[in-house]
Amino acid sequence: QKEVEQNSGPLSVPEGAIASLNCTYSDRGSQSFFWYRQYSGKSPELIMSIYSNGDKEDGRFTAQLNKASQYVSLLIRDSQPSDSATYLCAVLFLYGNKLVFGAGTILRVKS
Amino acid sequence: DAGVIQSPRHEVTEMGQEVTLRCKPISGHDYLFWYRQTMMRGLELLIYFNNNVPIDDSGMPEDRFSAKMPNASFSTLKIQPSEPRDSAVYFCASSLGGLGQGANYGYTFGSGTRLTVV
Repeated sequence: QKEVEQNSGPLSVPEGAIASLNCTYSDRGSQSFFWYRQYSGKSPELIMSIYSNGDKEDGRFTAQLNKASQYVSLLIRDSQPSDSATYLCAVLFLYGNKLVFGAGTILRVKS
Repeated sequence: DAGVIQSPRHEVTEMGQEVTLRCKPISGHDYLFWYRQTMMRGLELLIYFNNNVPIDDSGMPEDRFSAKMPNASFSTLKIQPSEPRDSAVYFCASSLGGLGQGANYGYTFGSGTRLTVV
């Protein structure tokens, strides 16, 4: 089992729709979770962090965390073509105190 | 702030040659990370430093890889000798503080160095 798993996609959604990106992780003790966005040929940039069970909203983005299910997700409302990118889920693993990234989900927003 | 600065942006070298990648972290950041990204393996942590001291180098693939941080504003990643399988994008990232629980630090990544070993 991979430490952080994401569906590679591509996930295609029409402009204005909600995009739902999912991530599962193996370390039950993990407490810190991050979503990064990476445009093609660019570096990852942090868009959301979440530490507590439930939802955290920031503009059009909502991160959701369920530690019991070891599941974290990112919702993008009113998706725009400019949201087309690879979204990386990252989990802070207690052993080694290191940030482990998933392989990423490719999102395509069609106008 | 100019962000995390990496050089060169692109490097093409022949197998067996020495390659040195450079990184200048954001001023004041006390953690520095070196990552490698490939299609097959995604983003892998190679090594990280705290206050210029290497903390965890368990991700360094082989003895051919070495990293140094002689001061708070400069780090190098060296590959000697280089091999075609080292071809990847190498990212440097820095952060203020570690990623302790509840902290909202995240990392700031540099633009990366695309290394091609032929």
